Amino acid sequence: NAGVTQTPKFQVLKTGQSMTLQCAQDMNHEYMSWYRQDPGMGLRLIHYSVGAGITDQGEVPNGYNVSRSTTEDFPLRLLSAAPSQTSVYFCASMDPLGTSGRSDEQYFGPGTRLTVT
Amino acid sequence: GIQVEQSPPDLILQEGANSTLRCNFSDSVNNLQWFHQNPWGQLINLFYIPSGTKQNGRLSATTVATERYSLLYISSSQTTDSGVYFCAVGDSGGATNKLIFGTGTLLAVQP
Repeated sequence: NAGVTQTPKFQVLKTGQSMTLQCAQDMNHEYMSWYRQDPGMGLRLIHYSVGAGITDQGEVPNGYNVSRSTTEDFPLRLLSAAPSQTSVYFCASMDPLGTSGRSDEQYFGPGTRLTVT
Repeated sequence: GIQVEQSPPDLILQEGANSTLRCNFSDSVNNLQWFHQNPWGQLINLFYIPSGTKQNGRLSATTVATERYSLLYISSSQTTDSGVYFCAVGDSGGATNKLIFGTGTLLAVQP
């Protein structure tokens, strides 16, 4: 298993541009989440999903959209990038049903470092 | 919403020393995990421990849910233990993947 994969690893955007951060997992996990991490801080939840077709907002959802059309993929869209969105973005997935024998543990991707100028 | 506080914020150890990291949370939880973020930024699961005690090699963790705290013990520390340790909890009223993170403990282990 590749686990949780994220692309791109690095991205520079100009203010006002839009883009999509990709996240995929091959563990058949029902739950997926997006977090952002700013310097010297813990992670903050942006959006999360508890299954295909089901998404909800976390602590800091403004300026971001998500969709979950398949179990494997959970893309994060920045609608109009702002310098305040400069951050490292982490995607995570979790198996809440314990079918893998280890439930409720979140597994994180390697992150995408985004700079908005 | 639920608040998560970690202490100490920073810690410097000599190799071989032991340490205890603490996580306090303000409400009932349905999920509590400890993570290690290594110097390359990767988040690594250490423990899923909403209650009870677990051990994995030189690391162990205890959560006393009724008193709303968790402890992470690192014994015989090594330089590879350096990085940031995060505690993250899920509010018992929400989905278990809605984690609230503390601000972390930055650990530096010196040779």
